[in-house]
Amino acid sequence: SQQGEEDPQALSIQEGENATMNCSYKTSINNLQWYRQNSGRGLVHLILIRSNEREKHSGRLRVTLDTSKKSSSLLITASRAADTASYFCATDAGNSGNTPLVFGKGTRLSVIA
Amino acid sequence: KAGVTQTPRYLIKTRGQQVTLSCSPISGHRSVSWYQQTPGQGLQFLFEYFSETQRNKGNFPGRFSGRQFSNSRSEMNVSTLELGDSALYLCASSLERPSYGYTFGSGTRLTVV
Repeated sequence: SQQGEEDPQALSIQEGENATMNCSYKTSINNLQWYRQNSGRGLVHLILIRSNEREKHSGRLRVTLDTSKKSSSLLITASRAADTASYFCATDAGNSGNTPLVFGKGTRLSVIA
Repeated sequence: KAGVTQTPRYLIKTRGQQVTLSCSPISGHRSVSWYQQTPGQGLQFLFEYFSETQRNKGNFPGRFSGRQFSNSRSEMNVSTLELGDSALYLCASSLERPSYGYTFGSGTRLTVV
């Protein structure tokens, strides 16, 4: 079953604009990760944020985590046409650290040049 | 260093047949996870292997099985194929969880006719 749910399901923006995607999850987590998938290809790991962190940056990416609301957001600043892809959040739940990553259904981002 | 290699990239099989998919993880990665991706269900966890032992298993019927060899390479097998098994099968490797993200292969696109 899906642990994370991304919102919106689809997002279309102009090149240069910022894109924000949200993820909500149900149970307590060890960490939350974001991945990108270009059409029909494998997923690419973007960023990992641990449950005791609130914000993390990587280049044009900014991820926030609110464990009290069980939610995370991914912000892509100054978007480019090459950012067009599906974005997934994934959670690693449980205390043992040996539970599998569970993915949401993703947000499909289209960046129009 | 080489990424995660999945073979074959594309496969067409007939209902009732069986299929074996292969995954070679990044050198040094001992954890290999398998996911099934379909438009309707998204990414569904199949199983995870670590040091030749199945560590986690998803909610799939017994027709789906896997194994991992001493060199960390993994195979998954699907017997008595059904039309609904048509999907992109993704393999991911990691050093250890939960501290590290997954590196995914490009996937095997299985079509059952």
